[in-house]
Amino acid sequence: ETVLTQSPATLSVSPGERATLSCRASQSVGSHLAWYQQRPGQAPRLLIYGASTRATGLPARFSGSGSGTEFTLTISSLQSEDFAVYYCQQYYNWPPVTFGQGTRLEIK
Amino acid sequence: QVQLVQSGAEGRRPGASVKVSCKASGYSFSDYYMHWVRQAPGQGLEWMGRVNPDNGTQYAQKFQGRVTMTRDTSISTAYMELSRLTSGDTAVYFCARVWEPATMVNGLDVWGQGTMVTVS
Repeated sequence: ETVLTQSPATLSVSPGERATLSCRASQSVGSHLAWYQQRPGQAPRLLIYGASTRATGLPARFSGSGSGTEFTLTISSLQSEDFAVYYCQQYYNWPPVTFGQGTRLEIK
Repeated sequence: QVQLVQSGAEGRRPGASVKVSCKASGYSFSDYYMHWVRQAPGQGLEWMGRVNPDNGTQYAQKFQGRVTMTRDTSISTAYMELSRLTSGDTAVYFCARVWEPATMVNGLDVWGQGTMVTVS
């Protein structure tokens, strides 16, 4: 099973600043990685797939990068609605599809 | 609009079974693979398995023998049944669609609202 490790567990950033979230895979997943945002009490929302392709309608301030085992989600200028929990997901070495444990992005 | 609407919250005793439904609308149900993901209270996301348009399935090993995923194309509804429930199965259960038609696995772009299953 491919383990995804996200860091940091919690990230404190001020509105308007940049946030950088990391996801490391225990073995290569190529570019078969997605990112999700989950707000309290809501279902996850797809942000990025294929490591770097934005989902339909996603603001350009969200970007994904990386391949193999190291991936990054960057939010260039944080808005109030961006403070949430973020998960990465790999779909290369499956079953099972696996998720990271999440990064909580909180207001500084 | 494209949406998945799940059945309501359920409470079960240990050892019982639960069946959650997921009704799709706004798109061609038979063209997309469906996955099920669960989330225990305060925890992360856990993949359970997928069901194909032709009702083929693939399950996470953890749930093999306890989970059954099906779909009824005539009413655009997918189902997930979990048996021999324990308190460890208390979670919100989500159905979610693969974003790309006829693709087995990829990012999941449309999610149901979740169904809370409580086992106690």
